[in-house]
Amino acid sequence: GQQVMQIPQYQHVQEGEDFTTYCNSSTTLSNIQWYKQRPGGHPVFLIQLVKSGEVKKQKRLTFQFGEAKKNSSLHITATQTTDVGTYFCADYKLSFGAGTTVTVRA
Amino acid sequence: NAGVTQTPKFQVLKTGQSMTLQCAQDMNHEYMSWYRQDPGMGLRLIHYSVGAGITDQGEVPNGYNVSRSTTEDFPLRLLSAAPSQTSVYFCASSYSGSNIQYFGAGTRLSVL
Repeated sequence: GQQVMQIPQYQHVQEGEDFTTYCNSSTTLSNIQWYKQRPGGHPVFLIQLVKSGEVKKQKRLTFQFGEAKKNSSLHITATQTTDVGTYFCADYKLSFGAGTTVTVRA
Repeated sequence: NAGVTQTPKFQVLKTGQSMTLQCAQDMNHEYMSWYRQDPGMGLRLIHYSVGAGITDQGEVPNGYNVSRSTTEDFPLRLLSAAPSQTSVYFCASSYSGSNIQYFGAGTRLSVL
């Protein structure tokens, strides 16, 4: 089964609001990646986190790796319609979570 | 630079038919893999290869065969299609030692 669990499975967001999606593992991860898949598209690599407590930003997206390297989060500020899609995390064994599917209300 | 190319984009099969999904990459990546994507299940690894001549099973290998005769190509074979194999199939590649995967556009397969 999947080694990384993502919550929530669905996120409905009002345009302009912030939200956070989480990725959890029962084991320590050497690294974690995040991917985005637009509706009808294919997963596209966003970022990789390697260090304990690491925080990386891409414009309105903030990615964090937990201190124990067992969890990660993706925080999006001021959500836009372009943020629609499914966000996946993947561990170093290339096991993907089930994803968080984001829809945006204009 | 084409990246990862998958063919066909769409396919409809009857139960029991066989077919091969093609995947080719032009980035000289050592690592290639096949995933299937089903609603609510995310991406599940079917088979992967760490280099030409080397393949291994992933999480859901039953009903699928692979081979890797060249660095560029990694075809996925369905020997006897079943309705449970209706899914979207993605091929991905990466450099050896890197977890960053580049995905193809996918093949949408329906088995009737």
